[in-house]
Formats: sequence, C-alpha cells, structure tokens
Amino acid sequence: EADIYQTPRYLVIGTGKKITLECSQTMGHDKMYWYQQDPGMELHLIHYSYGVNSTEKGDLSSESTVSRIRTEHFPLTLESARPSHTSQYLCASVGPSSYGYTFGSGTRLTVV
Amino acid sequence: AQSVTQPDIHITVSEGASLELRCNYSYGATPYLFWYVQSPGQGLQLLLKYFSGDTLVQGIKGFEAEFKRSQSSFNLRKPSVHWSDAAEYFCAVVGNNYGQNFVFGPGTRLSVLP
Repeated sequence: EADIYQTPRYLVIGTGKKITLECSQTMGHDKMYWYQQDPGMELHLIHYSYGVNSTEKGDLSSESTVSRIRTEHFPLTLESARPSHTSQYLCASVGPSSYGYTFGSGTRLTVV
Repeated sequence: AQSVTQPDIHITVSEGASLELRCNYSYGATPYLFWYVQSPGQGLQLLLKYFSGDTLVQGIKGFEAEFKRSQSSFNLRKPSVHWSDAAEYFCAVVGNNYGQNFVFGPGTRLSVLP
C-alpha cells in the first residue's frame, strides 16, 4: 500500500502555465525528496527537505521550487512551464526507522 | 564521492531463465545497499536491502542479492524470471549516517522474452 501520494498522476499543460505537483506522506517522515526522471533514464535529485522550513537544491539544476510548511506535505511548483519540463517527477520520503526511501507513483508531466 | 555503477544498461532474458543484475559501488565505508524496481510509468518499489550480517539477503518477488565487500558489489539475482519481472532496476547506496542522501545507479532495463 502507498503511504506517499502524488497528484496529479498525469498532467498535460500549456507553455507558460503555473503548476504545482503535490506530494503527501502519512508516515511522519522528516526527509522528503523530489526526483526528475525522463522515460527509461536515471533519477536526478532536484530538491530535498530534512524537515519543516528546510529545503535544499539537489544535484540537478531545476527551475522548480519547493516548500515544506508541514511535515507531511512537500509540493513542487513550476512558475512558468516549458516543454523542456516534460518529464516524470517522483517524490520520496524516509524516516529514521524506515530504512530506505518510499516512493510515490509519480506525476508524468507533459508541457505542450 | 559515493557512486553506483550498473554496467548493464539493458538485459534480455527468456522467461524461466536465471537472472543476475550487476551493481558496484564506491564508498569510503560499508554503506547500506538497496535494490528498487520500477515498472513502466510507475514509482520505485523496494525489492530488498542490506545493512549488515548475512551477506545474502532475500527480497520480495523471489529476488535475492549478495553483498561482496571485496568486490564492492551487490548483485541482484533471480533463479527463474517471469514475464512480469520486465522493468527497470535501480541499485542504491546510502551511508549509515542518517544525514546522508541516497545515491542511485543509472538503472538496468530488463526485457523478458516469452
């Protein structure tokens, strides 16, 4: 069963639109992550958070931003979507006693 | 810096055949080791993990992996592959310090022939 939820599952949006990808987890995990993954390709860490009001950029530069106002919620926002943002976005979390990331099902974003 | 390599980008096996997916890591100490599986269009699911102790670990779906410290390897195996095993497989490592982030390998795509 999934304890980390991502919405929407699929999104097709026009260039220039602002979008927010939602990620929520019910496990009380303090560490949360966003990865970007092109089809059949490796995972790239774009943002992470170690707790409320803590956010950091990952290894891959991204034009997206994140916030962490509540422990369970870690949304990702694109202020102005572009076709180059077309990708799958995966959210993950881990807690001190969970040993291993738990991943959401992902959001597949297409910008036209 | 930590790194994970998965030498095989794509592997094709026949259904019922045995499987071994390779994973090598570079790390200053013995890390925690993981294998994840990703079906097309889905998130990643944890197959198995190694922290310490017995170097042969069992996971879900009939998979197992063996940690070999001397070779810095953590290869994934399955004695008899099923068509439903076709997916992308990722090896990952993390230090045994909770403050560290995971490092993922580039993935190996497994295709299964009927």
